[in-house]
Amino acid sequence: NAGVTQTPKFQVLKTGQSMTLQCAQDMNHNSMYWYRQDPGMGLRLIYYSASEGTTDKGEVPNGYNVSRLNKREFSLRLESAAPSQTSVYFCASSEMLGSDTQYFGPGTRLTVL
Amino acid sequence: EDQVTQSPEALRLQEGESSSLNCSYTVSGLRGLFWYRQDPGKGPEFLFTLYSAGEEKEKERLKATLTKKESFLHITAPKPEDSATYLCAVQARNAGKSTFGDGTTLTVKP
Repeated sequence: NAGVTQTPKFQVLKTGQSMTLQCAQDMNHNSMYWYRQDPGMGLRLIYYSASEGTTDKGEVPNGYNVSRLNKREFSLRLESAAPSQTSVYFCASSEMLGSDTQYFGPGTRLTVL
Repeated sequence: EDQVTQSPEALRLQEGESSSLNCSYTVSGLRGLFWYRQDPGKGPEFLFTLYSAGEEKEKERLKATLTKKESFLHITAPKPEDSATYLCAVQARNAGKSTFGDGTTLTVKP
């Protein structure tokens, strides 16, 4: 039981490049989330998916797109990366939207030059 | 808009020196307040959920308490392995999403 897995662990991009961050969970959870965490700051919600087939914007969605590929997988895409998107990205899942416990992946450390 | 403020930003303790972390919040109808622990280079790990004022939860050397405006995470006789960043989050009723504070980084020296 791996929990929540994320790939890649590290990534360096040049301004304007695109990339997709992958997330998968094996807990049969309905809801999944993408957060970003900047140094010394808490987590800010980018997008979330309450259930398979639905996605909604969080606090900071600009510059990002998401796809809930199936119940297990939730990807985050940066179409044209900017230095302001340098951050650590965490994927999380929970049994339902609003469940007490969110389970987090190990994070992807992204640097945009 | 829901808001969470944690203090202090950083706390350094000697092993065995008890202290408390604070989480002040404003939310339109609290469904739950959550505490997470985050180790360097890792994702947050769930610790507690508190639902109503007066509620307390304990786990080993940690005890979380809740009032209508704030929550405290009390650490009794901490050990170096308690060193981590502690995050507080709130969730409003019918919101489904949590708002996180910036965290308190705790360092416990042997």
